[in-house]
Amino acid sequence: QVQLVEFGGGVVQPGGSLRLSCAASGFSFSTYAMHWVRQAPGKGLEWVAVISYDGSDKVYTDSVKGRYTISRDNSKNTLYLQLNSLRAEDSAVYHCAKDQFSGSGIHWATNRLDPWGQGTLVAVSS
Amino acid sequence: IVMTQSPATLAVSPGERATLSCRASQSVSNSFLAWYQQKPGQAPRLLIYDASTRATGIPARFSGSGSGTEFTLTISSLQSEDVAVYYCQQYSRWPLTFGGGTKVEIK
Repeated sequence: QVQLVEFGGGVVQPGGSLRLSCAASGFSFSTYAMHWVRQAPGKGLEWVAVISYDGSDKVYTDSVKGRYTISRDNSKNTLYLQLNSLRAEDSAVYHCAKDQFSGSGIHWATNRLDPWGQGTLVAVSS
Repeated sequence: IVMTQSPATLAVSPGERATLSCRASQSVSNSFLAWYQQKPGQAPRLLIYDASTRATGIPARFSGSGSGTEFTLTISSLQSEDVAVYYCQQYSRWPLTFGGGTKVEIK
C-alpha cells in the first residue's frame, strides 16, 4: 500500500533553515506530482507547494516564495522541502501528499491530495 | 480563492444527518472541489472530489453536492467513527486553498 513518511523537522531559530524529506513507497513515485501542506498547531490546512512528476514544474503559495524550495529525487523515491529564512509563523506540522492520479504533459497534476503522510513538526523559536 | 466553511462546530445525534457547508469567494470552475476528513491525531483523508465523486473506499453515507460558489457535504447517518474535522478544498486554480474546517461531534 502507499506509504509516505516525513522526517527532518525540529526546532530552529528565526532566520534558520531546515530540509524536510518525504520517503515514498507502494506506488510508482516518478509518475505522480507531489505536494506539501502545513498545519499550524490547532489550526487548519495551508497548501505550500507542488512539484510535477519529473520535477520540471513547481508552484508555491505566495507566503513561501523565495524562501522555500520543493524538489524530488525519483531514483530515491523521495520528496524534499528546503525551508530557509524561517519565521515564527512557519511553525507547523508539514505533510507531504501524493497527487491522486498520475499525470503527463500539461495535465501533470489533478491537485487532489490522496493520501497524506502523518507529517513532521517544524517549530521556529528563539 | 477564499473558502469559508460553516458551521465551525456541528453536534449531531448518532444516526442523524449532518450537513456541512462550504462557500467560495469566487466560482470554482468545473466543480473542482474536494472534501477531506481529519480524525484526531491522524492525517487528512480524501473523501470527495469533483464536488460529488466519492474517493475509493469511502462509505456511501458520505455525499457531496453543489457548484459555483456553494458546496455541501452530507453524512446521511452519523456514526461514532465520523467524529472529525472536515475541510473543503478548491483546486480550480493555484494556490490551492482550504476552508477553515467544520468539527463534527456526537450529541
